[in-house]
Amino acid sequence: KNEVEQSPQNLTAQEGEFITINCSYSVGISALHWLQQHPGGGIVSLFMLSSGKKKHGRLIATINIQEKHSSLHITASHPRDSAVYICAVMKGGGSEKLVFGKGTKLTVNP
Amino acid sequence: NAGVTQTPKFQVLKTGQSMTLQCAQDMNHEYMSWYRQDPGMGLRLIHYSVGAGITDQGEVPNGYNVSRSTTEDFPLRLLSAAPSQTSVYFCASGGQGNYGYTFGSGTRLTVV
Repeated sequence: KNEVEQSPQNLTAQEGEFITINCSYSVGISALHWLQQHPGGGIVSLFMLSSGKKKHGRLIATINIQEKHSSLHITASHPRDSAVYICAVMKGGGSEKLVFGKGTKLTVNP
Repeated sequence: NAGVTQTPKFQVLKTGQSMTLQCAQDMNHEYMSWYRQDPGMGLRLIHYSVGAGITDQGEVPNGYNVSRSTTEDFPLRLLSAAPSQTSVYFCASGGQGNYGYTFGSGTRLTVV
């Protein structure tokens, strides 16, 4: 079983819809990251979380440490949000190693 | 401010050849790392470094070498390329404290 699981694997939405991508992990962590990979291949860091909630524009990321679960929400989705969203965890206990989910491919249609 | 510069963008190697993928950052980050991305596998950590002179193995280190002689540079060496090393490689820096990661633009490597 992978240490980081994302759902759904693929997601298609209509412009304007509210989107939720989920990430569950099975190991102790020191931080969780959400990344965005554009269709051209470039990877951008969206959020780094160790507790609570963060917001940047239309993107909101939450984490529940007790439940080992994080969600990425996109409000008022737009076709330019189409990308692969990747959850990654920095394992705890002094480890500096990132472990990645396999990503969620989001397509937002106009 | 260039961020993370990764070269080359594309490379074709023959089996058994060696090469070095270059990664440089100008943000004074202590942490640098190399990943490979394969279809259906997601990103996997190859090697990482927490500062000059310090490196450690990640999830898939076999067939790769790294060194960190300066804060800025973290090259990845393929010692004897194999078709199984065909992949897209990303270098990243940062990720400590309250900061996220900055990724290079990637290298698409094909080993024939």
